Amino acid sequence: KAGVTQTPRYLIKTRGQQVTLSCSPISGHRSVSWYQQTPGQGLQFLFEYFSETQRNKGNFPGRFSGRQFSNSRSEMNVSTLELGDSALYLCASSDTGNYGYTFGSGTRLTVV
Amino acid sequence: AQSVTQLGSHVSVSEGALVLLRCNYSSSVPPYLFWYVQYPNQGLQLLLKYTTGATLVKGINGFEAEFKKSETSFHLTKPSAHMSDAAEYFCAVIPLGGANNLFFGTGTRLTVIP
Repeated sequence: KAGVTQTPRYLIKTRGQQVTLSCSPISGHRSVSWYQQTPGQGLQFLFEYFSETQRNKGNFPGRFSGRQFSNSRSEMNVSTLELGDSALYLCASSDTGNYGYTFGSGTRLTVV
Repeated sequence: AQSVTQLGSHVSVSEGALVLLRCNYSSSVPPYLFWYVQYPNQGLQLLLKYTTGATLVKGINGFEAEFKKSETSFHLTKPSAHMSDAAEYFCAVIPLGGANNLFFGTGTRLTVIP
């Protein structure tokens, strides 16, 4: 069974630009969550999607958004990038009610 | 607000020695409890989880953790450290009755000395 796939692995963007990250969950998993990992703030929850609907959202500004497609693949978008958005962005998928979240390898975003 | 405390941001043990990584949670109602491991430039890998049932949980790579309600703890142990155990370890919780997202501790970096 293929794991959670995140693309790209590395990304360098300039302040003010926008970026889109992609996550393909494990086949059959309908829930996809996104987390941001930084040295200063640690691991923080961004949002969760289930069956194309945002089910839960963390405490991040509106510049951070996401969506989920009918095949459960998810994208997150960050607009008007700031230096502080530099982080490892992790995606996790899970089976309904299982709480067995499987994480991808992440996308390392650097904003310069 | 849910809080997870990992005592010790860095822990060093000798190869073959006991590994003990500490985790305490703050809620009065015990949450679901998890331990994850992260190797450099990698995502998070689930070591073990406690939702219901037996309070001693066995996970992958020889790790286990015991849920102790009276101490609001979920400490991670391994009887004998291996060099390959060197990594960062995160304790996480999902509060009962709330949303299903994970709340993470700040992590403990484990160093194994040969």
